[in-house]
Amino acid sequence: QVHLVQSGAEVKKPGASVNVSCKASGYTFTDYYIHWVRQAPGQGLEWMGIINPTGGGTDYLQKLQDRVTLTMDTSASAVYMEVRRLRSEDTAIYYCARGPTISTFDNWGQGTLVTVSS
Amino acid sequence: SYVLTQPLSVSVAPGKTATITCGGNNIGSESVHWHQQRPGQAPILVISYDTDRPSGIPERFSGSNSGNTATLTISRVEAGDEADYYCQVWDSSSDHPVFGGGTKLTVL
Repeated sequence: QVHLVQSGAEVKKPGASVNVSCKASGYTFTDYYIHWVRQAPGQGLEWMGIINPTGGGTDYLQKLQDRVTLTMDTSASAVYMEVRRLRSEDTAIYYCARGPTISTFDNWGQGTLVTVSS
Repeated sequence: SYVLTQPLSVSVAPGKTATITCGGNNIGSESVHWHQQRPGQAPILVISYDTDRPSGIPERFSGSNSGNTATLTISRVEAGDEADYYCQVWDSSSDHPVFGGGTKLTVL
């Protein structure tokens, strides 16, 4: 059974950085992409970026590409998302999601709430 | 970028059929995926590639896609179907996935 387990909630001050992890199990880690999607309070879903566990290639939403970095540890079947220079508008639930392709998601993590507040 | 338009809300009585639309320019030529998000939970995929139901999704969920509108249909609606539903496609102009704004399904 596929599981994507994310790290716990974070509270950060504006200007700080946050790291969120996503640990995969129940499938061959390198066979699927990992996407990151966020959801601001009461809002819809926004795609942020993708990492290819085969080779580590990444792509990001253009408006976030200078503040977001995705990395991975194949030995741990884990993907990590760093968001730098946090702003109040970055307050959201962050989800990782497995992607059979670059265009689809078939399993989601449980989400990680990141609160940015002074 | 590619814009997907969904109604903000849809209401339906238990046992009836709910129809949720997703509008986009020539969306019929795209592959549409639907995600259900129950209150306080992570999304789950309920329809992929316009019409495919993932394992574990009831047959009551079906999808169609033609012209400028994709549709998610939920037959014999149950209280547990109350959720937000998001359509999603690949935006070839920006090379990334995009979501519709979401539709809140209320079961009366």
